[in-house]
Amino acid sequence: GESVGLHLPTLSVQEGDNSIINCAYSNSASDYFIWYKQESGKGPQFIIDIRSNMDKRQGQRVTVLLNKTVKHLSLQIAATQPGDSAVYFCAETMDSSYKLIFGSGTRLLVRP
Amino acid sequence: KAGVTQTPRYLIKTRGQQVTLSCSPISGHRSVSWYQQTPGQGLQFLFEYFSETQRNKGNFPGRFSGRQFSNSRSEMNVSTLELGDSALYLCASSLRGGSSNEQFFGPGTRLTVL
Repeated sequence: GESVGLHLPTLSVQEGDNSIINCAYSNSASDYFIWYKQESGKGPQFIIDIRSNMDKRQGQRVTVLLNKTVKHLSLQIAATQPGDSAVYFCAETMDSSYKLIFGSGTRLLVRP
Repeated sequence: KAGVTQTPRYLIKTRGQQVTLSCSPISGHRSVSWYQQTPGQGLQFLFEYFSETQRNKGNFPGRFSGRQFSNSRSEMNVSTLELGDSALYLCASSLRGGSSNEQFFGPGTRLTVL
């Protein structure tokens, strides 16, 4: 498959464990944040989003936490599965804009 | 509903040539954005088109251009290709104006410049 990034930080977790992926965003004016998952040979796939008037949002097996004070975003994946192995990107934007600013990405490896 | 489609999927060009990439958004989506993805720079915004007008532009030289047609399909063009233009070019479509500004990405076009 195609390599998304050669020098990405990597998080290795045991199947069934919880994963936490962190992201520092750049613009204090950003008010909409998204987590994307990118598998080899594919485009980024939307996982979950959060607006700046919230500090936590839950989806199916995923939770996003937002700390605006320190401009930090995290993605928690519960009971990580082999299919979760991918590169994860956070993205920020201002709601009125469709210009996404992406973080550098984290590679998640799930050990069977 | 069909997803975002991009053609071609792979392309090999030589320095100095020009290239045109195509993107068909999800049916009903009127906004199309383009991104460049490289191992060194990551994912970077190129531009966004909505109603055939460029609404937003990233920090790329004028060699990178795009357009959108009345059916919302979009093309991007890169002229006078350089080795550093080798990248995965991603297109994303969005409803724009709906309750969510979620962007849906296509599989990308892998451009190699020799």
